[in-house]
Amino acid sequence: DQQVKQNSPSLSVQEGRISILNCDYTNSMFDYFLWYKKYPAEGPTFLISISSIKDKNEDGRFTVFLNKSAKHLSLHIVPSQPGDSAVYFCAGYRDDKIIFGKGTRLHILP
Amino acid sequence: GAGVSQSPRYKVAKRGQDVALRCDPISGHVSLFWYQQALGQGPEFLTYFQNEAQLDKSGLPSDRFFAERPEGSVSTLKIQRTQQEDSAVYLCASSETRLSEQYFGPGTRLTVT
Repeated sequence: DQQVKQNSPSLSVQEGRISILNCDYTNSMFDYFLWYKKYPAEGPTFLISISSIKDKNEDGRFTVFLNKSAKHLSLHIVPSQPGDSAVYFCAGYRDDKIIFGKGTRLHILP
Repeated sequence: GAGVSQSPRYKVAKRGQDVALRCDPISGHVSLFWYQQALGQGPEFLTYFQNEAQLDKSGLPSDRFFAERPEGSVSTLKIQRTQQEDSAVYLCASSETRLSEQYFGPGTRLTVT
């Protein structure tokens, strides 16, 4: 039973355009949501988070939107840069546990 | 400063062998977490320590898996009688406090043949 779902295994976006990564969740009890970025042979690194009581959080080029009624969140990256090519994990946090989705591989095209 | 380190980075074990995976957290970090990441999946929670106390081991898949952190710093994840389904990347993360950001190590890739 997947509590956090990332239904797009991969996404290709032109450099300079907006990248939108989507995530759905089934557990309404998450305290907050996180996005992690992962390069090959490295561990995930924290990117941005959003409290379950907020609907938007922005940090530089990264913005996360939370739609609680739809149980959906999205990560917007604008403008996309070559270094953004990586696997992005959506995750929910509750009771000291982080529950990760399967990830979406983002390719930034030159 | 130094991040979370894990050793070995790669481990090949024959089915039935015991393995021990080490995690060195960031100095001073109270909380330590272990995750298992199978191919094509996201990391899955295994267990959590606060200092030397193992507060949650609900994610350990079987009694063949055992983790310890005897002095509240370095942690070891031990897998006894390895099986093919144990093949995965094992990630360790540490955080300053229970609720603060988790910093991940590079992982140990375990292949059981």
